[in-house]
Amino acid sequence: AQSVTQLGSHVSVSEGALVLLRCNYSSSVPPYLFWYVQYPNQGLQLLLKYTSAATLVKGINGFEAEFKKSETSFHLTKPSAHMSDAAEYFCAVSPSGNTPLVFGKGTRLSVIA
Amino acid sequence: DVKVTQSSRYLVKRTGEKVFLECVQDMDHENMFWYRQDPGLGLRLIYFSYDVKMKEKGDIPEGYSVSREKKERFSLILESASTNQTSMYLCASSLSGHVENTGELFFGEGSRLTVL
Repeated sequence: AQSVTQLGSHVSVSEGALVLLRCNYSSSVPPYLFWYVQYPNQGLQLLLKYTSAATLVKGINGFEAEFKKSETSFHLTKPSAHMSDAAEYFCAVSPSGNTPLVFGKGTRLSVIA
Repeated sequence: DVKVTQSSRYLVKRTGEKVFLECVQDMDHENMFWYRQDPGLGLRLIYFSYDVKMKEKGDIPEGYSVSREKKERFSLILESASTNQTSMYLCASSLSGHVENTGELFFGEGSRLTVL
């Protein structure tokens, strides 16, 4: 079965510093990968998605992620953290077609002024 | 603006009560999902539906049932609530077809259920 592992349940960065949230997937076939963000007291919303078109994917709010097949990774980055980026981030995988997403356990990002 | 609406943001129920969580989407999406979210466990899929009157079990269906009588509405039912069902429940919807559509879920704001 497909799965994703998010390394680090909590990441803390200073405002203006690089954000790096890690996600590794297990898949015997090329997967489709997603990052979602959940702001406090809200549902999740899509940040970006990889569907095999390009390995470097740009999303909303300055986030991007790079698909690396050799490392089975899809890490999320942002060059400069902003206070408004404080949220929980979820990596998710779908094997193909009309199958439900499988979510990682999430990483809570704190941004320190 | 597209929307998934969950009927109650906060509920408090007693053990053994029957609980209904309602979800309505206005995007004409074929697919609808119920997840529960618990600290340290992420999102776990309870049930999903790809069409009216159709339902499929997810990873943790025990103690839950669902109903989809209309395309826009997907209800989660706890027949006899228990304290271990205290959680945040999230409803989501998506289009059908290629994963570029099916992987983009639109979520409601969640229903936080406490069972005493």
